[in-house]
Amino acid sequence: DAGVIQSPRHEVTEMGQEVTLRCKPISGHNSLFWYRQTMMRGLELLIYFNNNVPIDDSGMPEDRFSAKMPNASFSTLKIQPSEPRDSAVYFCASSSLAGVIDEQYFGPGTRLTVT
Amino acid sequence: DQQVKQNSPSLSVQEGRISILNCDYTNSMFDYFLWYKKYPAEGPTFLISISSIKDKNEDGRFTVFLNKSAKHLSLHIVPSQPGDSAVYFCAASPGNQFYFGTGTSLTVIP
Repeated sequence: DAGVIQSPRHEVTEMGQEVTLRCKPISGHNSLFWYRQTMMRGLELLIYFNNNVPIDDSGMPEDRFSAKMPNASFSTLKIQPSEPRDSAVYFCASSSLAGVIDEQYFGPGTRLTVT
Repeated sequence: DQQVKQNSPSLSVQEGRISILNCDYTNSMFDYFLWYKKYPAEGPTFLISISSIKDKNEDGRFTVFLNKSAKHLSLHIVPSQPGDSAVYFCAASPGNQFYFGTGTSLTVIP
């Protein structure tokens, strides 16, 4: 398996622009997580899906952030409008929750810079 | 508020010596704990885990200890190797999602 795939790997955009980050989870995994990593707060969970349904989005910073999972093999995290404080590395992770907790498999991340 | 805390942002250890990374948590509902390792420009990768029914789990050079009464877990690496230099995140789960600490950057000096 190719692992969790994220695109783009790097994104530089201007304040006010829309940004869309993409994630393809590992085939067969039914849970997907979006994280943001910053120096000050480490890894923060933004939202997670189970069987394509958003379960907990309490970590989403504000209404400018939205996430979708239209099918089991694809998810997006959108920021509109983007702000400089959104600059961070965004990770997507997937896991198989077959009744027991399994470790998550992370993608390589998308480094977002908003100028 | 952070439910999982790693109070040491960095640690330096000589090659061959023991590295001890610490993690504290506040939620008594956490029953599964993990350590992840992260190299620059890569995503975190799973290293070792422990469930709350155990107090120790060992995998080669890596051992995780859990002290439930103190709500504390630690990762021991012995002997430390230069390739262990990375950021280490601890994570805890009550059963449905994971809560991560802010990470400890380990540098193993040759």
